Amino acid sequence: QSVLTQPPSVSGAPGQRVTISCTGSSSNIGAGYDVHWYQQLPGTAPKLLIYGNSNRPSGVPDRFSGSKSGTSASLAITGLQAEDEADYYCQSYDSSLRGVFGTGTKVTVL
Amino acid sequence: QVTLRESGPALVKPTQTLTLTCTFSGFSLSTSGMCVSWIRQPPGKALEWLALIDWDDDKYYSTSLKTRLTISKDTSKNQVVLTMTNMDPVDTATYYCARIGTGGGGPFDYWGQGTLVTVSS
Repeated sequence: QSVLTQPPSVSGAPGQRVTISCTGSSSNIGAGYDVHWYQQLPGTAPKLLIYGNSNRPSGVPDRFSGSKSGTSASLAITGLQAEDEADYYCQSYDSSLRGVFGTGTKVTVL
Repeated sequence: QVTLRESGPALVKPTQTLTLTCTFSGFSLSTSGMCVSWIRQPPGKALEWLALIDWDDDKYYSTSLKTRLTISKDTSKNQVVLTMTNMDPVDTATYYCARIGTGGGGPFDYWGQGTLVTVSS
C-alpha cells in the first residue's frame, strides 16, 4: 500500500520542464527521513535516480533534480527528452524504518 | 560489481506458501550498513515494500503483511530468503530484491531484475 501520494501522470513537450510532487505525512517524510526517487522504464526494474532528497548517483544527467520541504518532496526534469518517458516513484521510510513508496507517476513526452 | 538475482516458482496455488531467494554478489550482508529488501509490483500497479533485513539481522516488515512474511539471511551463501504464507491471487506480482548500502533510511541502490509470481489454481 502506497502512503506517499503522487500525481498519476504528467506530460510535457521535448525541452520543457516538468515536476512531480510526492506528498507524505509527519510519520514519514515529515519525520525527517530522506526521500529517494526511482525511474522505471517499461518492462525493467526500477533504477535509482535521486537519493538523499537531492543527490544524483553517478551517471544520472543533471537534468534531474530533487528537493524536499516539510512533508513533501518533488522531482524536476528540465530539458525533457524522449528517453525520459517512464514511471517515476518516490520512496521514504516511516518511523519504524518500514519502507514506503509513492503511488507512481507516468511521464509522457508529447 | 554488485548484482542481485531473484529465484523461485513462477506459479503457486492459492493458500500455498511462496519461498523466494535473492542471491547477490559484490557485497557482504555482514558488513555494517548493508541491507537487503523485498519489494513487489502487481501488473500495472505501483511498487510495494515488503520486508528488510540488515547486517545485524534486524528485520522489518510491512504492517499489512507482517503476519504472512518471514525474511532471513544466509551470509555464507550470500542469500536472502523471503517466505509468504497463504498466497492469494491478489499476490500476483513481480517480486524484486534490492540492496541498501548505507544503512536504514538509505536508498535502494541496486535491484534484481525481478521474478514474476502468478497465484492461480
